[in-house]
Amino acid sequence: DVQMTQSPSNLAASPGESVSINCKASKSISKYLAWYQQKPGKANKLLIYSGSTLQSGTPSRFSGSGSGTDFTLTIRNLEPEDFGLYYCQQHNEYPYTFGAGTKLELK
Amino acid sequence: QVQLKESGPGLVQPSQTLSLTCTVSGFSLTSNSVHWVRQPPGKGLEWVGAIWSGGSTDYNSALKSRLSISRDTSKSQVFLKMNSLQTEDTAIYFCTRAYGGYYFDYWGQGVMVTVSS
Repeated sequence: DVQMTQSPSNLAASPGESVSINCKASKSISKYLAWYQQKPGKANKLLIYSGSTLQSGTPSRFSGSGSGTDFTLTIRNLEPEDFGLYYCQQHNEYPYTFGAGTKLELK
Repeated sequence: QVQLKESGPGLVQPSQTLSLTCTVSGFSLTSNSVHWVRQPPGKGLEWVGAIWSGGSTDYNSALKSRLSISRDTSKSQVFLKMNSLQTEDTAIYFCTRAYGGYYFDYWGQGVMVTVSS
């Protein structure tokens, strides 16, 4: 199985700042990485797929980059609603596997 | 619009069988795959298994011997059955649609399942 290593596990920032979350695959997954946001009481939200393609409805302050084994989710100009948990997931091969998550907290 | 909703018992005794239902709307099970993903308390997400548009299934190898996923297309429902439950199976169980079989574009809210006597 492809192991996904996500970092950092915790991140504190203020509204208006920019942050980056990293995800490293144990082997090449081409461009096939998705990012999700998880918030209490809400359904998990797909933000980005295929490494850099924004899902419909994802604000343009979110961006994804990378290919092969190293990927980054960047959120520019943080809004209050952006705080929560973020997960990466490789969708290159089964079984699909997730990173351990990054908790983005308000500083 | 696309919706998925999980239902099932919140508490299951150890060694018993878990039965969950995912009721979907806004899309056809014969054109889309539905997957189960679980999340133990305070931990990350784990892919459990899937039923594909044609009706075939795939399971997490670690759970395969205990797991069965099926569906009733006339009722737009997907079922998960897992036997021999242990405390480690305590988790929120989500059903989710995989767009093209790849990434998960719609999720249910999840159902918390606690394995305890």
